[in-house]
Amino acid sequence: AQSVTQLDSHVSVSEGTPVLLRCNYSSSYSPSLFWYVQHPNKGLQLLLKYTSAATLVKGINGFEAEFKKSETSFHLTKPSAHMSDAAEYFCVVSALNTGKLIFGQGTTLQVKP
Amino acid sequence: DGGITQSPKYLFRKEGQNVTLSCEQNLNHDAMYWYRQDPGQGLRLIYYSQIVNDFQKGDIAEGYSVSREKKESFPLTVTSAQKNPTAFYLCASRLLSGGTEAFFGQGTRLTVV
Repeated sequence: AQSVTQLDSHVSVSEGTPVLLRCNYSSSYSPSLFWYVQHPNKGLQLLLKYTSAATLVKGINGFEAEFKKSETSFHLTKPSAHMSDAAEYFCVVSALNTGKLIFGQGTTLQVKP
Repeated sequence: DGGITQSPKYLFRKEGQNVTLSCEQNLNHDAMYWYRQDPGQGLRLIYYSQIVNDFQKGDIAEGYSVSREKKESFPLTVTSAQKNPTAFYLCASRLLSGGTEAFFGQGTRLTVV
């Protein structure tokens, strides 16, 4: 069975400082992993995805994530936070053998001026 | 423009009434999904469908029903058996091959009074 745990429900950073949003996953098969962002009352937008190619994945808006199989982690980072990054972030796992997408609980990122 | 469309954006219903939420995609995607989003609980899978005329229950299917008569359409009915239907509902679609990402609609906010 697949599952995903986002280790922080809320993260607060100052503008211009690094962002780290943590995600651990569990999957019986080789997983596909995704990070999505959601702004208030909006749909979800894909930030980046891992599908068994390079372990360091670069996404939009300066975000990147590293797939670490030994640690079953897929943490999202950004070197310098911007006010517009304030949103809800979701880590998602999909097993290659099923069509299901499993979401983490979400992490709210607050960016302070 | 290709995309996934949910309608309406806001929906109000009286308690005890069934209501149907629309989801249409013109991306030629195989799979379609319905999620429910409540504050602090992330996205929970209601139903998903990988092929026309077939669908599977997700984690919280009780009180909901779906149909997949056409590849492009996956309507969700919230029945009177759903004990707490007020929520934000998101529809998604994706190709099933290659670990591709899901595309999301803008959501429907259902309020039952």
